[in-house]
Amino acid sequence: EAGVAQSPRYKIIEKRQSVAFWCNPISGHATLYWYQQILGQGPKLLIQFQNNGVVDDSQLPKDRFSAERLKGVDSTLKIQPAKLEDSAVYLCASSLYLSQNKLDTQYFGPGTRLTVL
Amino acid sequence: QKEVEQNSGPLSVPEGAIASLNCTYSDRGSQSFFWYRQYSGKSPELIMFIYSNGDKEDGRFTAQLNKASQYVSLLIRDSQPSDSATYLCAVKNGGFKTIFGAGTRLFVKA
Repeated sequence: EAGVAQSPRYKIIEKRQSVAFWCNPISGHATLYWYQQILGQGPKLLIQFQNNGVVDDSQLPKDRFSAERLKGVDSTLKIQPAKLEDSAVYLCASSLYLSQNKLDTQYFGPGTRLTVL
Repeated sequence: QKEVEQNSGPLSVPEGAIASLNCTYSDRGSQSFFWYRQYSGKSPELIMFIYSNGDKEDGRFTAQLNKASQYVSLLIRDSQPSDSATYLCAVKNGGFKTIFGAGTRLFVKA
């Protein structure tokens, strides 16, 4: 079974530029998550989709970040314009079950390391 | 108080010893508890999860949950240098949101 795919793996941009990340979850997984992980910290949830609906985006900086999940499968996360503090690893995860299920176990992709200069 | 707290470490143990990693959480309605291992420069990978009080064993790993004390731990028996990594505790709280701790760095000395 293929895992969660993400691209690109690395991205270097200058502040005020825009960037987009792509995620393809494990086939059949209902729930998709985008996390931001800053060095030395645990992953912080940015947005959670259930099929193609948003379940939680309370920690997404909506003035600069946007995300969508097309047809309940692939997802893109965009930052526009980027700030220095956006330098982090952006992780995509997916899970088979809906988030109300206690067995909802998340599987992570390899991540995209973003550096903002 | 942080929602999920872990000692950042580093925790250093000799090869072959038992490593004990601890995690406390604040939401009494939390229902599921996960341990992930994250090697430097890699993404988190699931080790195991637990949702009932008591112990759950999987190979060299044992997760322990005490909901009354709001405490979950991970024991690694016969620790190997390849176990050196950051261990993330994740808690699915009463609002169905999964919160990650900052992780504990484990170093196993050969």
